[in-house]
Amino acid sequence: DSGVTQTPKHLITATGQRVTLRCSPRSGDLSVYWYQQSLDQGLQFLIQYYNGEERAKGNILERFSAQQFPDLHSELNLSSLELGDSALYFCASTPAPLAGIRTGELFFGEGSRLTVL
Amino acid sequence: DAKTTQPTSMDCAEGRAANLPCNHSTISGNEYVYWYRQIHSQGPQYIIHGLKNNETNEMASLIITEDRKSSTLILPHATLRDTAVYYCIATGNQFYFGTGTSLTVIP
Repeated sequence: DSGVTQTPKHLITATGQRVTLRCSPRSGDLSVYWYQQSLDQGLQFLIQYYNGEERAKGNILERFSAQQFPDLHSELNLSSLELGDSALYFCASTPAPLAGIRTGELFFGEGSRLTVL
Repeated sequence: DAKTTQPTSMDCAEGRAANLPCNHSTISGNEYVYWYRQIHSQGPQYIIHGLKNNETNEMASLIITEDRKSSTLILPHATLRDTAVYYCIATGNQFYFGTGTSLTVIP
């Protein structure tokens, strides 16, 4: 158990809909990362938050948005869903804002599997 | 963040050492080398990381060449449970995962 909690574990929805994925980081971790993994693909970095502020953006579509709340949990909002958005969405947390500072180790949740029909 | 190159797939016999190479020829002085693995569709798991010295922990050893342009992850006695995709990342900033090396441990 990494200490990172993601909900829901599975989600099935239709094209055009909007969903929200939730992530609770490990206790004390200030940094939250979101990743997308489509079938047989590598992990695509979407976005990072550190202590409530957006820290870095990766390949995140404009239809997607995220935020980190004062209690440090984070939500990833996916709207106008398309079939190609079907994927595993992982959240990871770490105490540090950057790799290499302190341990810089990412702790991953078990993911939310989104299926768009 | 430095680009990394890894073989797409490798096999290893159970009980033997698995040596997974990674090339990161453009790595800069403040970038660390990290290794993670992902078993099936689980969340990736941290294995080890290092800056310039070789590192060892209970899971694996990390050998970084003196010029830091490449590294090797060594699983000393591979078991069937080590079958996974292994990701090498060279970074001082963000964690960008590539497609990794798919390691299959064969009985």
